[in-house]
Amino acid sequence: NAGVTQTPKFQVLKTGQSMTLQCAQDMNHEYMSWYRQDPGMGLRLIHYSVGAGITDQGEVPNGYNVSRSTTEDFPLRLLSAAPSQTSVYFCASSWGSGVQETQYFGPGTRLLVL
Amino acid sequence: SQQGEEDPQALSIQEGENATMNCSYKTSINNLQWYRQNSGRGLVHLILIRSNEREKHSGRLRVTLDTSKKSSSLLITASRAADTASYFCATDPDRGSTLGRLYFGRGTQLTVWP
Repeated sequence: NAGVTQTPKFQVLKTGQSMTLQCAQDMNHEYMSWYRQDPGMGLRLIHYSVGAGITDQGEVPNGYNVSRSTTEDFPLRLLSAAPSQTSVYFCASSWGSGVQETQYFGPGTRLLVL
Repeated sequence: SQQGEEDPQALSIQEGENATMNCSYKTSINNLQWYRQNSGRGLVHLILIRSNEREKHSGRLRVTLDTSKKSSSLLITASRAADTASYFCATDPDRGSTLGRLYFGRGTQLTVWP
């Protein structure tokens, strides 16, 4: 199993550009989530999904959209990038429909918005 | 905020010594999890302890949970240079209807010197 994969690894955007961060898992996990990690901070939840077709907002959802059309994929869309979205983004997945299980994290996408 | 807070923020020890990190949180929880993050990498799950458990072991790791004090500790015994990493606690709040939200602290940076 590849586990949780994220692409791209690095990305530089200009303010106002849009892009999609890809996340895929091959473990048949129902639960998937996106976090951002800023220097000196813990991870903050952006959006999560408890199954295909079901998504919900986390702590910091503004400026981001998600969809979950398949169990495997959970892309994160930046609609109009802003410098405040410069961060490292992590995708995670787990068994079940909640966070009462081990979370498996991807390697992260480092995003710089100029 | 439900966010857990780790203490200390940074810890520097010699190989062979024990390392203890603490996590405090604010509201009742279903479970508490500890994760490790090597520099520039994703998070790796260490231990999950449920609210009805008081202590768990995994190899050189020992986690305790005191729900009356809303705190947890992570002990790494006989530390090695390879244990150098950031350690995060994450809490799953017991809010009844809430699913899918895991709250991370800002982490403890552990440095183990050879």
